[in-house]
Amino acid sequence: AQTVTQSQPEMSVQEAETVTLSCTYDTSENNYYLFWYKQPPSRQMILVIRQEAYKQQNATENRFSVNFQKAAKSFSLKISDSQLGDTAMYFCAFMKLGGSGNTPLVFGKGTRLSVIA
Amino acid sequence: ETGVTQSPTHLIKTRGQQVTLRCSSQSGHNTVSWYQQALGQGPQFIFQYYREEENGRGNFPPRFSGLQFPNYSSELNVNALELDDSALYLCASSTRIDGYTFGSGTRLTVV
Repeated sequence: AQTVTQSQPEMSVQEAETVTLSCTYDTSENNYYLFWYKQPPSRQMILVIRQEAYKQQNATENRFSVNFQKAAKSFSLKISDSQLGDTAMYFCAFMKLGGSGNTPLVFGKGTRLSVIA
Repeated sequence: ETGVTQSPTHLIKTRGQQVTLRCSSQSGHNTVSWYQQALGQGPQFIFQYYREEENGRGNFPPRFSGLQFPNYSSELNVNALELDDSALYLCASSTRIDGYTFGSGTRLTVV
């Protein structure tokens, strides 16, 4: 079974600064995806960024980038130029590849990020 | 694209009652998954349906059951509600290409 660990329950950052959220995972699978989701008070899970395990290049989406270390099973999220709207819960998630349809997501417990003006 | 819609948004039930939660999938998505998110926790996988058949289930008892309809919408049914069933229930529809799209959830309170 896969597990996802987020060791930072809460973090805060000044507006315009950079913050890094940590995530480690455990799996025996070789083919999988990793995700970071954002959950604002509206409760909807919003995909921030996705990383395919077979890709060595780290994924980037505008101000969001990841540091994917496959051997270390580490997948951190860096948010640059933090904005007030980035305030939310952030969840790291794992999905193995295989079968018909998508396989379930395995989530960490989340990190509550507060961006301070 | 219409996104994923869940109803109702909030619900209060009494212990022992039964509840049905509903989810309309995003257009073109043939897989629907349900997750339970307890307060302060990450979502936990309940089960998944692909083309109207259950094709995956998490560590939840049989009183949690579901359906997927030909239009790919879905229901989550919970019988004999317990206090610990109080949580946010998230529905997500997906395809292998698009990945997951989540709804805003149903907040269930069992008293």
